[in-house]
Amino acid sequence: DTEVTQTPKHLVMGMTNKKSLKCEQHMGHRAMYWYKQKAKKPPELMFVYSYEKLSINESVPSRFSPECPNSSLLNLHLHALQPEDSALYLCASSQEGMNTEAFFGQGTRLTVV
Amino acid sequence: AQSVAQPEDQVNVAEGNPLTVKCTYSVSGNPYLFWYVQYPNRGLQFLLKYITGDNLVKGSYGFEAEFNKSQTSFHLKKPSALVSDSALYFCAVRGWNSGGYQKVTFGTGTKLQVIP
Repeated sequence: DTEVTQTPKHLVMGMTNKKSLKCEQHMGHRAMYWYKQKAKKPPELMFVYSYEKLSINESVPSRFSPECPNSSLLNLHLHALQPEDSALYLCASSQEGMNTEAFFGQGTRLTVV
Repeated sequence: AQSVAQPEDQVNVAEGNPLTVKCTYSVSGNPYLFWYVQYPNRGLQFLLKYITGDNLVKGSYGFEAEFNKSQTSFHLKKPSALVSDSALYFCAVRGWNSGGYQKVTFGTGTKLQVIP
């Protein structure tokens, strides 16, 4: 199984809502990532988990809250988002090490209204 | 600080012709270089990587890339383009950032349009 599965595929939420994005992989990867991607732009790193511990937070606003319940799952909890947070949110995983490629999910298209 | 430049926003090529998508990089230490492809409304898919060894790297779907240390380039190539190759291509470099942790830096992306 070489897939990273993200749910939901699409999400529309109001600025007062609370929602969660989910990501799952069964490749035994110990590094997992959240990226934000705007249209026709490269992915921007948000968070990195290594061995289920948060290792990198790229100064992301607190309205985004990551969680890694176990080595296969990664969540992104959303609260009080702004319309400018509308984007494609990508989850990825990889083995540890500089020479390893990342496997990406197909993303969640988030629209904040 | 590490960086990746993809000088062309878009590359147009006729089906059957060879294609090149350009990438140059800047990184301290050994470069770990990657190419990814993204189809509309999808995540990124890994194509190939350069770690060490041969300067010509072969990857998925008939793509290859040539690593040139003196020119700090890692151009993506394919001998014969297919219409189905039309997508957004990202070059990336992995290195150590000033904060002391590994980071992947993506280029701005090049849209490849293969014309039938």
